[in-house]
Amino acid sequence: EVQLVESGGDLVQPGGSLRLSCAASGFTFSDFWMTWVRQPPGEGLEWVANIKEDGSEAYYVDSVKGRFIISRDNAKNSLSLHMNALGAEDTAVYYCARSDWNSFDNWGLGTLVTVSS
Amino acid sequence: QSVLTQPPSASGTPGQRVTISCSGSNSNIGRNSVSWYQQLPGTAPRLLIYNDYDRPSGVSDRFSGSKSGTSASLAISGLQSEDEADYFCAAWDDSLNGYVFGTGAKVTVL
Repeated sequence: EVQLVESGGDLVQPGGSLRLSCAASGFTFSDFWMTWVRQPPGEGLEWVANIKEDGSEAYYVDSVKGRFIISRDNAKNSLSLHMNALGAEDTAVYYCARSDWNSFDNWGLGTLVTVSS
Repeated sequence: QSVLTQPPSASGTPGQRVTISCSGSNSNIGRNSVSWYQQLPGTAPRLLIYNDYDRPSGVSDRFSGSKSGTSASLAISGLQSEDEADYFCAAWDDSLNGYVFGTGAKVTVL
C-alpha cells in the first residue's frame, strides 16, 4: 500500500524558513516524479513544485521561485521542501503527492504551515 | 494561479446525473491530459480520473471524464449522498511550465 506522510508544518514568523518532509513507502520511490501541492484554508488547490525521478529536474509555480527548493533522497525514500522568505500567502496545508500519468495518484494527509507574527 | 475555470457549485437529487465543466486554453487542456480529484470535507484529495477519461482501480464507474478542445468535463451518474465533496480538475500548462488546478466545484446532493 502506497503511503505518504508529511511532517514539518509549524507556525513561523513572516520572513522565516521551514523545511517540510514527506516519507514514502509501499512503492519504488525512485521510479516516480513527486509533487508538492498546497491548499490555503478554505481555498482551492495550488501546485507548488515537482521533481523528476532522479532529482535532475524540478519545476516551481512562479510565486515560490527563488524561495522554495524541492529535493529528494531516493536512498531514504524521502521528499523535502525547503521554504524561505515565507509570507502570509504561504499559509496552507501542504500535501505530498506521487505523480503518474500526468496526474497525482496518491496523496498524503498534509501538514499545516501557518505564517503569522 | 487558477487558469482552469470551473463552476463554483453543482447540485442534484439522489440518482441524478451531474456534470462539472473545466474550461482552459490551448496551452493546458488543449495540449495535455486532464485529471480530476475529489476532496471530501476535511480530507486529502483523491484521484478520480487521469488521462482525460481513465479511472484508477477502486474508483466507481459512476464517475466519467471527457474532453473536447480546451474544455473537459466530469460526470457523476447515480448521484449519492457520499458524493458531496469539492471537485478539482488539473492539467499541465506548457506556457507556465507547471501544473494548474481548476477553481473547484462543490457538489451538493439535495
